[in-house]
Amino acid sequence: TQLLEQSPQFLSIQEGENLTVYCNSSSVFSSLQWYRQEPGEGPVLLVTVVTGGEVKKLKRLTFQFGDARKDSSLHITAAQPGDTGLYLCAGGGGSYIPTFGRGTSLIVHP
Amino acid sequence: SAVISQKPSRDICQRGTSLTIQCQVDSQVTMMFWYRQQPGQSLTLIATANQGSEATYESGFVIDKFPISRPNLTFSTLTVSNMSPEDSSIYLCSVQGYYEQYFGPGTRLTVT
Repeated sequence: TQLLEQSPQFLSIQEGENLTVYCNSSSVFSSLQWYRQEPGEGPVLLVTVVTGGEVKKLKRLTFQFGDARKDSSLHITAAQPGDTGLYLCAGGGGSYIPTFGRGTSLIVHP
Repeated sequence: SAVISQKPSRDICQRGTSLTIQCQVDSQVTMMFWYRQQPGQSLTLIATANQGSEATYESGFVIDKFPISRPNLTFSTLTVSNMSPEDSSIYLCSVQGYYEQYFGPGTRLTVT
């Protein structure tokens, strides 16, 4: 069974601060996804990374896939209250049912 | 991508009753998934539903408690049977893209 360890579990920060969320595994994944979920909604895909060492940017969000495709990070620069939500990483995909991390609950205070 | 709708969006049910949740997709898909989620926590896969075959249940979930129907390639239902307060949760359906999954908005169930 592939496991994804996601940390930290909770983050409460002030607007303007930077933060990084980590997703780690002992298994190699063919791809890794990051999702954001707001209260009352389902998770929404932010990005998919598939190549070891890959870096993708989405405005103030930077996603990195580890060289060995076993870990990933999400960095948010100058966080805003609109970034508040539950962030989930998921590994696998394709013909495999994805494995989800436990999630990081982020609150950004104005 | 896929657009997924779920009904109902929320419900409050009495202990011992059953609730059927509907999931509608705007395109034909082979695999549909049902998840359970406690607020603020990660997703737990209940079962995978393929059209034309029996659903495949994950460990800890059984067909008698969570019967699933998949009558066509755009629709599925999940029934939560003989409910207890422990079944209070958010239930989500999803479909598989190439790598990613697309989720419905969820059904928030409260059992009293």
